[in-house]
Amino acid sequence: EIVLTQSPTTMAASPGEKVTLNCLASSSVSYMNWYQQKSGASPKLWIYGTSNLASGVPNRFSGSGSGTSYSLTISSMEAEDVATYYCLQLSSYPLTFGSGTKLEIK
Amino acid sequence: QVQLQQSGAELVKPGSSVKISCKASGYTFTSYDMHWIKQQPGNGLEWIGWIYPGNGNTKYNQKFNGKATLTADKSSSTAYMQLSSLTSEDSAVYFCARGTIAAGDYVMDAWGQGASVTVSS
Repeated sequence: EIVLTQSPTTMAASPGEKVTLNCLASSSVSYMNWYQQKSGASPKLWIYGTSNLASGVPNRFSGSGSGTSYSLTISSMEAEDVATYYCLQLSSYPLTFGSGTKLEIK
Repeated sequence: QVQLQQSGAELVKPGSSVKISCKASGYTFTSYDMHWIKQQPGNGLEWIGWIYPGNGNTKYNQKFNGKATLTADKSSSTAYMQLSSLTSEDSAVYFCARGTIAAGDYVMDAWGQGASVTVSS
């Protein structure tokens, strides 16, 4: 089973601050998907195929990475970005999610 | 638009079974995988398995073998997950999610609102 380790577990950013969330895989994966989950809601597809933004996702978000190391970056933090972000690998079974990064605003 | 409408909250007794539904609309139900994902209170996401309604093929996370059974009814465009021999560890919110290919990569692009299962005597 591929274990995805997300860091940091929790972080707080100021409006306008650049934010980077990391996802480290225990074995190489072909690509990474990211999901945003707000409190009490279902997860939403946010970034797919490592770097493609899902429909409606603001272009201040970007994704990058390869092999075992992936990241989601917000160029300028906004209040609406407060949520928990999960990475998901679909390269091998069982499909696995990271434990999430909870992003808060200062 | 694609919509996945899940059944309501369930309160069930230990040792019993429960069947959760996920009704799809806005797309051809038989042409896409349907995944099921578990989220325990305050915890992350855990993949249970998928079913392809077109032919009934399934793939499970080994951890859920014997616990979860996935089925689909083409006539009503509804996917089901039955959970058996319930314990407190099965108390969670369960999501269904559609699987598809986007830009050559696989995604779960639409999710249901979640169905809460509480196991308590």
